[in-house]
Amino acid sequence: DAGITQSPRHKVTETGTPVTLRCHQTENHRYMYWYRQDPGHGLRLIHYSYGVKDTDKGEVSDGYSVSRSKTEDFLLTLESATSSQTSVYFCAIREGLMNTEAFFGQGTRLTVV
Amino acid sequence: GQSLEQPSEVTAVEGAIVQINCTYQTSGFYGLSWYQQHDGGAPTFLSYNALDGLEETGRFSSFLSRSDSYGYLLLQELQMKDSASYFCAGYTDKLIFGTGTRLQVFP
Repeated sequence: DAGITQSPRHKVTETGTPVTLRCHQTENHRYMYWYRQDPGHGLRLIHYSYGVKDTDKGEVSDGYSVSRSKTEDFLLTLESATSSQTSVYFCAIREGLMNTEAFFGQGTRLTVV
Repeated sequence: GQSLEQPSEVTAVEGAIVQINCTYQTSGFYGLSWYQQHDGGAPTFLSYNALDGLEETGRFSSFLSRSDSYGYLLLQELQMKDSASYFCAGYTDKLIFGTGTRLQVFP
């Protein structure tokens, strides 16, 4: 199994508080992705990274920021959580541009109350 | 933008063959890949097509036609454990997922 770990696995937070989710990989893969999954919407790309300090927006980036200061860690931050950000968040890694297989973490279930 | 459309649900019986279609509305994808996700689990990679045509991987096959912006996943000899959601995904530096198809396999 690919070495990819998300933390925390579950979190309940209050509206307006900042939240940071962590994705850690031990595979030295270049690409890292953050997705959210909601019923009826599949997996939607929030942000992704193509190298240390190289990040770009995805389909649903509003309200989210990311950072990648090391190859192995990709952080997703909700600056001020809202109830609409209640979701399951998945991190994924991919070795390179022409590598087609992505490996997913086990997900983080975030509830904003 | 980039979008990939799939039927929301497909049902079939054990031993049957089922096809899950994926149509996309963007150019520029290097190829199309397919993922399976069981309830409560993470997506896992099934197959990909970098070139037009059919790719076979055991009971699963995948097809791509770039000229038609269309692909499909073919599942043969269906088993109960194949009940899951299936996603197509177009890849460049991004990896954009389709809307997903829930497959229910009945005895």
